[in-house]
Order: sequence, then C-alpha cells, then structure tokens
Amino acid sequence: ELKVEQNPLFLSMQEGKNYTIYCNYSTTSDRLYWYRQDPGKSLESLFVLLSNGAVKQEGRLMASLDTKARLSTLHITAAVHDLSATYFCAVDEGGGADGLTFGKGTHLIIQP
Amino acid sequence: DAGVIQSPRHEVTEMGQEVTLRCKPISGHDYLFWYRQTMMRGLELLIYFNNNVPIDDSGMPEDRFSAKMPNASFSTLKIQPSEPRDSAVYFCASSPSAGLAGYYEQYFGPGTRLTVT
Repeated sequence: ELKVEQNPLFLSMQEGKNYTIYCNYSTTSDRLYWYRQDPGKSLESLFVLLSNGAVKQEGRLMASLDTKARLSTLHITAAVHDLSATYFCAVDEGGGADGLTFGKGTHLIIQP
Repeated sequence: DAGVIQSPRHEVTEMGQEVTLRCKPISGHDYLFWYRQTMMRGLELLIYFNNNVPIDDSGMPEDRFSAKMPNASFSTLKIQPSEPRDSAVYFCASSPSAGLAGYYEQYFGPGTRLTVT
C-alpha cells in the first residue's frame, strides 16, 4: 500500500521567515504533485515534479524531488500572509492515471 | 473552459436518504476521478474512469456507494442509503491523457459539501 507522509502537519510562522515542508512516500514513482487548498476551496495545482533532481520554483515557493530518497520538499522563502493555506503532496503509482494518493496536508499559517 | 463543474455545492440530508452528486469534467479529458475529503482520513480516491469506463473502484467504502459515467461529459456518485459518517467534501477531478507531457495533471472541481444528519 502506497503511503505518503507529510511533516509538519501544522506550521505557524512569521512573515519574512523561511521554512520547508517535507513529503516522504513509499513507492518508486517518479511523479510527485504539490497542491494548495484555501479554506473551503478546491485544490489548486502548484507543481508537478517528474524526475529525480527536478526543481521547480514559482514566486516564494520552490519544490524539489529526490526519488532515491523518496522525498520531496516544498520550501517557502520570506513567507507572506497570502501563502497561508493547506499544502498537499500527492503521488501517483506510475504506469498510468491511477489516481493520486495524498499526504495528510500541512496547514500553514503565516502571521504578520 | 469553465473547469470541472460539480453540483450541488452543498447538500444536507437526513440519514437513510439517497444522495446523488454530479460532475461535468473538462471537455476532452479522458479521465475522471472521485475523491472524498474528511478531517480524519484526508483526501481519498474513491473511483476513477477512463473513457467512461470504471477502472478502479477499490476505494469505494461500501456497497452503498455507486458511481456511473454514462457519457464523456457527465458522472454521478450516489450514496444510498446515506449515513452520518458519509459527511465529507466530495471532489471530482478530470485529467487529459498523459501524452507527451508524461503525467496526468488532475483538475479539481469546487467540491460538494455533504452533511448527513
């Protein structure tokens, strides 16, 4: 059974600080997805990481993938309040559109 | 494109009643997924379709749950009879074939918040 574990599950930080969210998974898949969810809203795709060593950046968010360690990170640089949300990583088991297995999510609160 | 459309957005029903959730995927997408989100269990895949054919329904919790996709532009998730533990947000997502991109990016609908009392 595929397992996806995120940590921390809850994070409160101040504006201007840096922090990293970790996502460990148990399969050999080399496709990892990061989503953002605002309260009461749907999921918004942030990044798709497709190979070992992949790094993608958008604004203050940067995601990376280490398939050998089965680890992805989402790094937040100089956090701002607008980044407050719940962030999910998800993995598909490869070989086709088998649906995604999600982590529990990291509830991020950025305080002014 | 309007994106994935789900209806209703909110549903409140009494235990024992039948509930039908509806989804219209993005035009041209070959895959359709139903997920359920709860505080306790997070996001769970219930079932998915490829070209209107159910491929994997192993995530459907019980026989009370059923899903259909009669055509490429419409899918339903039915719960009969409903129970309080079915209260959750149900998301529908659709995806195009991987093609040259090599991955299946899923686009999520706004969700249906179901409350069973």
